[in-house]
Amino acid sequence: DSGVTQTPKHLITATGQRVTLRCSPRSGDLSVYWYQQSLDQGLQFLIQYYNGEERAKGNILERFSAQQFPDLHSELNLSSLELGDSALYFCASSDGTSGSKVFGPGTRLTVL
Amino acid sequence: DAKTTQPNSMESNEEEPVHLPCNHSTISGTDYIHWYRQLPSQGPEYVIHGLTSNVNNRMASLAIAEDRKSSTLILHRATLRDAAVYYCIREEGQGGSEKLVFGKGTKLTVNP
Repeated sequence: DSGVTQTPKHLITATGQRVTLRCSPRSGDLSVYWYQQSLDQGLQFLIQYYNGEERAKGNILERFSAQQFPDLHSELNLSSLELGDSALYFCASSDGTSGSKVFGPGTRLTVL
Repeated sequence: DAKTTQPNSMESNEEEPVHLPCNHSTISGTDYIHWYRQLPSQGPEYVIHGLTSNVNNRMASLAIAEDRKSSTLILHRATLRDAAVYYCIREEGQGGSEKLVFGKGTKLTVNP
């Protein structure tokens, strides 16, 4: 158990819908990172938040958005879903000093 | 662009050492080299990281070439539980905005 929790574990939805993925970082970690893992693209960095503020952006689509709340949990919102959005979505957290990041178990999103 | 090159797959026998190579010829002076591994159906797991000198921890050793254009992850005695995809990653960004850019990794098979 890495200390990072993600809910839900599995999500099945239809094209055009909107979903929210939730992540609680390891206790004490201020940074949260979101990654998408699909079969053809591998692990892609989406976005990073640090203590509520956006710090770095990667290959995140305009249909996707994220935020980090005062209690440090983060949510990734995916809208106007397409078949190609089906993937594993991982959240990771770090304390910003050790250099390592811990990943959660992921949310598997299936868009039908 | 992951900017690291790894063999697609490697095989090892149980209880033998494993040397996983990685080329990162365009690395800049401030980029850390990180190694993560991903076991089937799990999120990535931190293994080790370093900047210039060799590093050791309970999981593995990291040997970084003097010119920093390549590195080798060393598992001293492979076990069946070490079978995973190993990612060599350049950490990009600084000052709290670091992000891991994953490549395709090396799939390690450990034979009993």
